[in-house]
Amino acid sequence: QKEVEQDPGPLSVPEGAIVSLNCTYSNSAFQYFMWYRQYSRKGPELLMYTYSSGNKEDGRFTAQVDKSSKYISLFIRDSQPSDSATYLCAMRFKAAGNKLTFGGGTRVLVKP
Amino acid sequence: DTGVSQDPRHKITKRGQNVTFRCDPISEHNRLYWYRQTLGQGPEFLTYFQNEAQLEKSRLLSDRFSAERPKGSFSTLEIQRTEQGDSAMYLCASSLGLAGVGGTGELFFGEGSRLTVL
Repeated sequence: QKEVEQDPGPLSVPEGAIVSLNCTYSNSAFQYFMWYRQYSRKGPELLMYTYSSGNKEDGRFTAQVDKSSKYISLFIRDSQPSDSATYLCAMRFKAAGNKLTFGGGTRVLVKP
Repeated sequence: DTGVSQDPRHKITKRGQNVTFRCDPISEHNRLYWYRQTLGQGPEFLTYFQNEAQLEKSRLLSDRFSAERPKGSFSTLEIQRTEQGDSAMYLCASSLGLAGVGGTGELFFGEGSRLTVL
């Protein structure tokens, strides 16, 4: 079993819909949680960064962390075709040299 | 552009040949990471450097792989005697150390070097 599990998708939604993504993890020692967006044949780019449990909002993006359930989520409001990409969750321990453990990624397709 | 740059972007080689990838991190970043990503999977950690010191290596980094960061600036990743299973995207990332001034320790990735072993 992988440390971080993520549904590979693809997840297809109409433009303007809310995209809901999530990851589960097994190691309760993870403290920092991130979401990266990766376009085809490009490197990942950081979208959201949260520490421990709670919510964080940035524009159309909301990240949630529930450490008790070992579950993190990313919501994208008013989705646009330009949001079509693979979304990777990532997490790390508090003192791990910033080394990240990634989920497998969820491919999202927003249809105009 | 002051982002992370990687070279070459794509390398096609025959099995058994050696290949080398180069990564130039963001100039003020003291940490540099190598990850490997295969199709449909998330990036997997290979190794990381703080300045010129290689601090951690994954068990994925077999003895055919070697990484260096000789002066704490750019880094190279060499794969000797390539195998078809080495075909992947090799990603480099850099960051400031934990709680660096103005930094959260977040990783900034390059565009990657895609390796195809025939």
